[in-house]
Amino acid sequence: ELKVEQNPLFLSMQEGKNYTIYCNYSTTSDRLYWYRQDPGKSLESLFVLLSNGAVKQEGRLMASLDTKARLSTLHITAAVHDLSATYFCAVAGTASKLTFGTGTRLQVTL
Amino acid sequence: EAQVTQNPRYLITVTGKKLTVTCSQNMNHEYMSWYRQDPGLGLRQIYYSMNVEVTDKGDVPEGYKVSRKEKRNFPLILESPSPNQTSLYFCASSIRGSRSEQYFGPGTRLTVT
Repeated sequence: ELKVEQNPLFLSMQEGKNYTIYCNYSTTSDRLYWYRQDPGKSLESLFVLLSNGAVKQEGRLMASLDTKARLSTLHITAAVHDLSATYFCAVAGTASKLTFGTGTRLQVTL
Repeated sequence: EAQVTQNPRYLITVTGKKLTVTCSQNMNHEYMSWYRQDPGLGLRQIYYSMNVEVTDKGDVPEGYKVSRKEKRNFPLILESPSPNQTSLYFCASSIRGSRSEQYFGPGTRLTVT
């Protein structure tokens, strides 16, 4: 059974600082997604990582995938308040199932 | 506009009273799925459908039913809701199942008393 672990679960960081969210998964997969969820809202797709070594960047967010280590990271550079949200990774498993991590609630403070 | 819609958005009901949450997508996606979101547990997949008349269980299917009679619609049915089904529910669709990104509906907040 595929298990997906994210850490940290909660992250409070100051504006301008850098930090990384980690997503570990338990079985082989070559496809991983990152989503963002604002309070009371739906999920918005951020990144689709399709192969080992994939790196995607959008603004202050950069995601990478290491399929051998079964690890994806979401790196935040020079955080701003607008990045405050909950971030989820999701891993594609067998039989078209998708397993989500528990989410990382990011709070960026002044 | 490409979108996934859900109705109702909010629902308060009582134990045992059958209910249906509708989901519709206008992107001609073959794959549709239902998730529930609970604090500290992330999103958990309830059921998914690869195509019309093809459905399969996700990780937490107990107490739920689905049907896929048309490509665009994928209703979630709770035959006899219980308080432990109080949750935030999301419908999603994609072109190729877990092999492509999911497009999520706005969510349905269900409270069962």
